[in-house]
Amino acid sequence: ELKVEQNPLFLSMQEGKNYTIYCNYSTTSDRLYWYRQDPGKSLESLFVLLSNGAVKQEGRLMASLDTKARLSTLHITAAVHDLSATYFCAVDRRNTGNQFYFGTGTSLTVIP
Amino acid sequence: DAGITQSPRHKVTETGTPVTLRCHQTENHRYMYWYRQDPGHGLRLIHYSYGVKDTDKGEVSDGYSVSRSKTEDFLLTLESATSSQTSVYFCAIRSRDSTPFFGPGTRLTVL
Repeated sequence: ELKVEQNPLFLSMQEGKNYTIYCNYSTTSDRLYWYRQDPGKSLESLFVLLSNGAVKQEGRLMASLDTKARLSTLHITAAVHDLSATYFCAVDRRNTGNQFYFGTGTSLTVIP
Repeated sequence: DAGITQSPRHKVTETGTPVTLRCHQTENHRYMYWYRQDPGHGLRLIHYSYGVKDTDKGEVSDGYSVSRSKTEDFLLTLESATSSQTSVYFCAIRSRDSTPFFGPGTRLTVL
């Protein structure tokens, strides 16, 4: 079974600071996803990373993928309060019947 | 929102009663999934479907069954609900580029 680990699980940061969330997975994967979830809401797709070295950026968030290290990062630049949410990474394994596996999530709180 | 709806959105039931949750999609996607979300566990796959009448188990399938008699509907049934099945249930589909998209969720409470 594919294991996906995220750290930290909880992150409290001040506005204007930078930080990185890490997502490690245990076996080779075709692609990696990042999602955002606000309290009481569904998951919103942020990024899809398809290959080694892939980098995607949207606003203050940047995601990258290193398939050799089995590691993805979600970097937050100059955090603002609106980024407060829970962030999940998920990893695809096509040869498991198209299943995808989630990390436990990182709860981010940005303090004014 | 990839045309995914879930019903009911909220349900409170008693231990031992059967419960069926419905996921409906409007865009003819082949793959559909049921996940449950619990604090400290992220999202865990219950069952998934890769076509009409084609389903398979996920990592937490005990106590759940599914059916897919039409492309657009994927039903999750708790034959005899238990308190441990109190959770938020999300349905997901794979879009045309294979990105998973999620429905709005169903909050189930088993008393």
